[in-house]
Amino acid sequence: AQSVTQLGSHVSVSEGALVLLRCNYSSSVPPYLFWYVQYPNQGLQLLLKYTTGATLVKGINGFEAEFKKSETSFHLTKPSAHMSDAAEYFCAVSFSTGGGNKLTFGTGTQLKVEL
Amino acid sequence: DTAVSQTPKYLVTQMGNDKSIKCEQNLGHDTMYWYKQDSKKFLKIMFSYNNKELIINETVPNRFSPKSPDKAHLNLHINSLELGDSAVYFCASSPVGNQPQHFGDGTRLSIL
Repeated sequence: AQSVTQLGSHVSVSEGALVLLRCNYSSSVPPYLFWYVQYPNQGLQLLLKYTTGATLVKGINGFEAEFKKSETSFHLTKPSAHMSDAAEYFCAVSFSTGGGNKLTFGTGTQLKVEL
Repeated sequence: DTAVSQTPKYLVTQMGNDKSIKCEQNLGHDTMYWYKQDSKKFLKIMFSYNNKELIINETVPNRFSPKSPDKAHLNLHINSLELGDSAVYFCASSPVGNQPQHFGDGTRLSIL
């Protein structure tokens, strides 16, 4: 079975500081990993994805994530936080089945950005 | 040009009622999904359809019945609503394979 664990349900950073949101995965096959962001009262928006190939993945809004197989991790980072980054962030692992794919989400990390 | 649209956005109703949520995608994707997000923001897949055929059916009470009239639409009908059904329901779509899913803005269901 595939699963993801997000460490820290709440993370608070100062504006301009480094953002680090942690995600560890468990998968019996090479994983497909995603980070999504959810702003209040909105749906989920894809930030970035890892499928195969380059282990450092760049996404939208200045975010990036590094796939580390040895650590089974896929942490999300941004060098400098902005107030508009305040949102809920979800890590997810995908398992392909019968034409579609089943996303299993972590429990989410709420990012707060302070002045 | 909303890619995945759900209606209604809010649904407030009484216990025991029957309600439906509609979802449409204009991305040309073959696969559509329903997810439930509970009060703690935990997201869990409920159903998935590929080209109108049910392919994922998680352990969801049979009061929940999805229907896909064509590959651009996936509706969710819920019978005999219970308090525990209060949640935000998200529709999503994707191409075939391990591709990113595109989500609608959700339907917030509140049971009185």
